[in-house]
Amino acid sequence: DADVTQTPRNRITKTGKRIMLECSQTKGHDRMYWYRQDPGLGLQLIYYSFDVKDINKGEISDGYSVSRQAQAKFSLSLESAIPNQTALYFCATQDGRQETQYFGPGTRLLVL
Amino acid sequence: GDSVTQMEGPVTLSEEAFLTINCTYTATGYPSLFWYVQYPGEGLQLLLKATKADDKGSNKGFEATYRKETTSFHLEKGSVQVSDSAVYFCALRGYASGGSYIPTFGRGTSLIVHP
Repeated sequence: DADVTQTPRNRITKTGKRIMLECSQTKGHDRMYWYRQDPGLGLQLIYYSFDVKDINKGEISDGYSVSRQAQAKFSLSLESAIPNQTALYFCATQDGRQETQYFGPGTRLLVL
Repeated sequence: GDSVTQMEGPVTLSEEAFLTINCTYTATGYPSLFWYVQYPGEGLQLLLKATKADDKGSNKGFEATYRKETTSFHLEKGSVQVSDSAVYFCALRGYASGGSYIPTFGRGTSLIVHP
């Protein structure tokens, strides 16, 4: 089984809808991240969490919120989706004592 | 702030050609440097890393040397294969307030290898 899983893998939604993307990990890592990937822009950090009680904004947090329900789960919400939030979203984990990040397979989101 | 600059793609090569993907960085302190690879339809995975000046990271025939004097970490491979077709990201470990650190990624370079 994959160490970092994301659900759903693909999602189509309409402008104004609230949606949630979920990330779960079995690696036991304390740190978790949410990124979005747009063609030609690389990865942009949305939010990150260093433990269950620690949530931090990244460079593009406007329009997004997160919840760290447990060490293994980190959810990303779009309160009112808009078309320019159409992108590929990745969750990543990291052991705080190490430097390598481990990425999920991504969620492809289309906002109509 | 910290930043990573990669050469723009796509880079298109024939099989068995030599590959170089340039990466330069700006950072405070002494960052660790990484190359991640993203195969089609997948998430990123670590390809190699180097943690101090003059270190060479290597994996799967790819190499990169941490050059502090030129603030560079160029990725090279002597003979590429079709299966190397992917997007390659250069990254560094940056510093956030409080002494913790978060990664900074370049924009990615797409590599296309033709038979």
